[in-house]
Amino acid sequence: DVKVTQSSRYLVKRTGEKVFLECVQDMDHENMFWYRQDPGLGLRLIYFSYDVKMKEKGDIPEGYSVSREKKERFSLILESASTNQTSMYLCASSPPEDRVREQYFGPGTRLTVT
Amino acid sequence: GQNIDQPTEMTATEGAIVQINCTYQTSGFNGLFWYQQHAGEAPTFLSYNVLDGLEEKGRFSSFLSRSKGYSYLLLKELQMKDSASYLCAVMDSNYQLIWGAGTKLIIKP
Repeated sequence: DVKVTQSSRYLVKRTGEKVFLECVQDMDHENMFWYRQDPGLGLRLIYFSYDVKMKEKGDIPEGYSVSREKKERFSLILESASTNQTSMYLCASSPPEDRVREQYFGPGTRLTVT
Repeated sequence: GQNIDQPTEMTATEGAIVQINCTYQTSGFNGLFWYQQHAGEAPTFLSYNVLDGLEEKGRFSSFLSRSKGYSYLLLKELQMKDSASYLCAVMDSNYQLIWGAGTKLIIKP
């Protein structure tokens, strides 16, 4: 079974802090994604990566950056946390495009910025 | 713009059948996914449709009509553990997933 893990389930940070969210997958997937999920809204894509050191902006990249130095690890960085970044953050990975592109999700990190 | 619509909430009775609808307008189409998400947990994959018709998988079935931009998820013999949110997502021409806001399904005894 694919396993996607995230570094924290719950996180509380203060406005202005730099925040790192880590995601690791164990299935050698090329594709990795960071989403945020807010009540009443669908999952919104922040950034994604198709390979090591490659990154692409999603729909809402402002205020975020990412890092993918190793294939199994994809990090989301909030450069200066703000209260409107309080949300559930979900990491996902998927196999290459020649297969059904089912995404496998981690358990999520609920981030509160005060 | 791209849009996925599904009902916000539905209620059904244990043992019954429920149909959750999803309509979409996207730039291109490379398949439609249904995911289940229990409260506080990660979404898990249920089904994938890329051709018109019905895909059956145990108690769950998913239907697609590409010409109508319409899909539904059918859940039979409902169990209490089926209480969850059901997310519809469409893969567009850029192979990006566009997500609906989800349908919260409440099962009553």
